[in-house]
Amino acid sequence: GAGVSQSPRYKVTKRGQDVALRCDPISGHVSLYWYRQALGQGPEFLTYFNYEAQQDKSGLPNDRFSAERPEGSISTLTIQRTEQRDSAMYRCASSLRAGGPNTGELFFGEGSRLTVL
Amino acid sequence: AQSVTQLGSHVSVSEGALVLLRCNYSSSVPPYLFWYVQYPNQGLQLLLKYTSAATLVKGINGFEAEFKKSETSFHLTKPSAHMSDAAEYFCAVTPRGNTPLVFGKGTRLSVIA
Repeated sequence: GAGVSQSPRYKVTKRGQDVALRCDPISGHVSLYWYRQALGQGPEFLTYFNYEAQQDKSGLPNDRFSAERPEGSISTLTIQRTEQRDSAMYRCASSLRAGGPNTGELFFGEGSRLTVL
Repeated sequence: AQSVTQLGSHVSVSEGALVLLRCNYSSSVPPYLFWYVQYPNQGLQLLLKYTSAATLVKGINGFEAEFKKSETSFHLTKPSAHMSDAAEYFCAVTPRGNTPLVFGKGTRLSVIA
């Protein structure tokens, strides 16, 4: 597709369940980012990849959160043993390449809204 | 560490009035600065970007922002607000390199007819 695609758009789960959120970036984009956005707040960085390599995971809150991008395209953010505090909008973005002349020019998907009951 | 502070979580203006959304940054090195806009039920969209080429940056939809190093500010302006400008606006910063964007908390702009 032309833009960044995220699925599912909405996910309701019970506390303790695992969830997987998918991101399909713009074709040809090297860098892929995951952000989390709580209601009334700005996006908070979680992790990012260049190609398949995870460059920075300093924003992942704890070891229940993990992300992968095995073939350098689609990425999955996995949250294990979900807790109510994990409820938020999870946003994926892609860019041509981090650190290049297009630094900071991110293209965002519409997000996956996670609700943990 | 880099950070941005957006003054005012909600700004309301009349249609046709000046729009001014404030952003102050903190950075240990000359930063790249951005404004993103988020319309309801959509993803964030780049509005404009400062990379040191010029201190006054023009973006889409008639918006512009001026980088003022002495004030560590990067305020967003538009001379005349339109109803379609109603959205959430986010200021963001990154140092020159591979560090991901750090976003402010956002300012919700309402435009009154």
